[in-house]
Amino acid sequence: NAGVTQTPKFRVLKTGQSMTLLCAQDMNHEYMYWYRQDPGMGLRLIHYSVGEGTTAKGEVPDGYNVSRLKKQNFLLGLESAAPSQTSVYFCASSYVRLGGIQYFGAGTRLSVL
Amino acid sequence: TQLLEQSPQFLSIQEGENLTVYCNSSSVFSSLQWYRQEPGEGPVLLVTVVTGGEVKKLKRLTFQFGDARKDSSLHITAAQPGDTGLYLCAGANNQGGKLIFGQGTELSVKP
Repeated sequence: NAGVTQTPKFRVLKTGQSMTLLCAQDMNHEYMYWYRQDPGMGLRLIHYSVGEGTTAKGEVPDGYNVSRLKKQNFLLGLESAAPSQTSVYFCASSYVRLGGIQYFGAGTRLSVL
Repeated sequence: TQLLEQSPQFLSIQEGENLTVYCNSSSVFSSLQWYRQEPGEGPVLLVTVVTGGEVKKLKRLTFQFGDARKDSSLHITAAQPGDTGLYLCAGANNQGGKLIFGQGTELSVKP
């Protein structure tokens, strides 16, 4: 069972470079989310999507863009990476219902030098 | 802005000890979830509590939702090294299925 798959697992960028993180889920979930996790700050929501073709801002959206062209994929883009974006990024998905269980990927560890 | 304050942030105990982790807010949540995260992995759901005053048990773990649905606790009896990990509480509101996460409690159980 694949569940939620994130690629890549690790990445090192220089300041100003761009990259895209890919999240794929095979559970036919409507909702998908991108979080960042920093020490002592729990998980903070960056962007989320309630269905194919829709996206919305979360708690910390600045410096990130997202796209949900296919139901199973949710892409997170960094157009011009900054050291403050060094973090571990998690993708999650859930069914369409309030407070639904979220299923997480294994994370992408990103360092911006 | 809804916030969930989790305490303690760090906990280091010996095998066999009991412990309690707290998750508090001034806001009401429709439900509250507890996740456990191991190094290099994503969080995995342990339990969801929905009703005020609800108590759920998962082997040696006991979860309680406050009567007013503003707080929750996780109690572990006779902790084992396998319980080591990051414990996260997350509250659900009525906004698009989003969860509000606490800061997490890093638990280390030494043999």
